[in-house]
Amino acid sequence: GAVVSQHPSWVICKSGTSVKIECRSLDFQATTMFWYRQFPKQSLMLMATSNEGSKATYEQGVEKDKFLINHASLTLSTLTVTSAHPEDSSFYICSAGPRQGTNSPLHFGNGTRLTVT
Amino acid sequence: QKEVEQDPGPLSVPEGAIVSLNCTYSNSAFQYFMWYRQYSRKGPELLMYTYSSGNKEDGRFTAQVDKSSKYISLFIRDSQPSDSATYLCAMRRGIQGAQKLVFGQGTRLTINP
Repeated sequence: GAVVSQHPSWVICKSGTSVKIECRSLDFQATTMFWYRQFPKQSLMLMATSNEGSKATYEQGVEKDKFLINHASLTLSTLTVTSAHPEDSSFYICSAGPRQGTNSPLHFGNGTRLTVT
Repeated sequence: QKEVEQDPGPLSVPEGAIVSLNCTYSNSAFQYFMWYRQYSRKGPELLMYTYSSGNKEDGRFTAQVDKSSKYISLFIRDSQPSDSATYLCAMRRGIQGAQKLVFGQGTRLTINP
């Protein structure tokens, strides 16, 4: 079964509003969580790395004030798209791992399809 | 030059064929290698996870890593239409280094009944 849960699976919002996406590791405490964005027929683009209890590390070109990441616990990270615009419409995917104290692989959530109208 | 190169395809083969998917990379620090399968509008699903060079088999899937050539492969035997998806290779450095994955571009695979 799924080890990483992402919610919601899809969301439609109006331009100018904010949207929050949750990522939970279901049966393990993840050292780190990652947030990706994926455009149609393209690979995953890493947006930011999130560690519990510390500020997220953003990749070059990703606006940290627009994509707010909160990693409140070892099992939950949230991505908030603030003041969303149509160009923010995309497929957002989180991943979690490895399990604490191991070198286990990363597992991914099922993604959130965001449409901004 | 990208750190990880993967032929995006598309690749189309008949049902039952053996499929070979490949990635090359340039960073010799990569130690852990993964193959993910992604269906349309879904998140990537882990298929294979290998450490360093060698082979690993799981059912119809075999992963090969050749660190000397910086080349990894995924073989799918007795391919099924349900194997039609995008296959992503990914890799990362060891536990003392960064945990983030570096992905290939993904190969779109279609298995024709």
